[in-house]
Amino acid sequence: QQQVKQSPQSLIVQKGGIPIINCAYENTAFDYFPWYQQFPGKGPALLIAIRPDVSEKKEGRFTISFNKSAKQFSLHIMDSQPGDSATYFCAARPSNTGKLIFGQGTTLQVKP
Amino acid sequence: DAGITQSPRHKVTETGTPVTLRCHQTENHRYMYWYRQDPGHGLRLIHYSYGVKDTDKGEVSDGYSVSRSKTEDFLLTLESATSSQTSVYFCAISRGGPGDTQYFGPGTRLTVL
Repeated sequence: QQQVKQSPQSLIVQKGGIPIINCAYENTAFDYFPWYQQFPGKGPALLIAIRPDVSEKKEGRFTISFNKSAKQFSLHIMDSQPGDSATYFCAARPSNTGKLIFGQGTTLQVKP
Repeated sequence: DAGITQSPRHKVTETGTPVTLRCHQTENHRYMYWYRQDPGHGLRLIHYSYGVKDTDKGEVSDGYSVSRSKTEDFLLTLESATSSQTSVYFCAISRGGPGDTQYFGPGTRLTVL
């Protein structure tokens, strides 16, 4: 049973736009929420991560917003570039485990 | 690059044949994972290992077995491959404990005809 739901499935923005990818989870016993970026033919790579005691985290042009009461978190990419074109996955980790439960993925295209 | 290699990188096989995928790491990390990636499903955990000869099932373990006789190698076996196991398989490691960031290998694309 999928416990992390990600939307949209695909997204197209112009260069400089701010794509937003959303994830919602169903289980409150998660203690870590990472986002992974994947380029074609490559394995996913950690982009940014947040813990539930923080409402927002920024790293460069990437920001995670976390709403614990709504059980939702989202990724914002500021000043998006064509090089950001990739598939993005959110994930959640059940507390006290090493497992990750992934969302379905979002394919982002940033047009020049 | 987390020092993870996967072999083979591509494989085509027929239904009913056994298949073994290998994950090799060069940094002697204790925790290793096998995922499969399918459109519309993201990545799903098949099996994981927390040490030599210590393994456990993930959410989609049916039809798969694993073995870890050495720290550096984690093998995934499909005893009798089915078309539903056509997928891209990723190995991952945690550099510290199980709660640390997972780093992924380059993947193996498996096609079962």
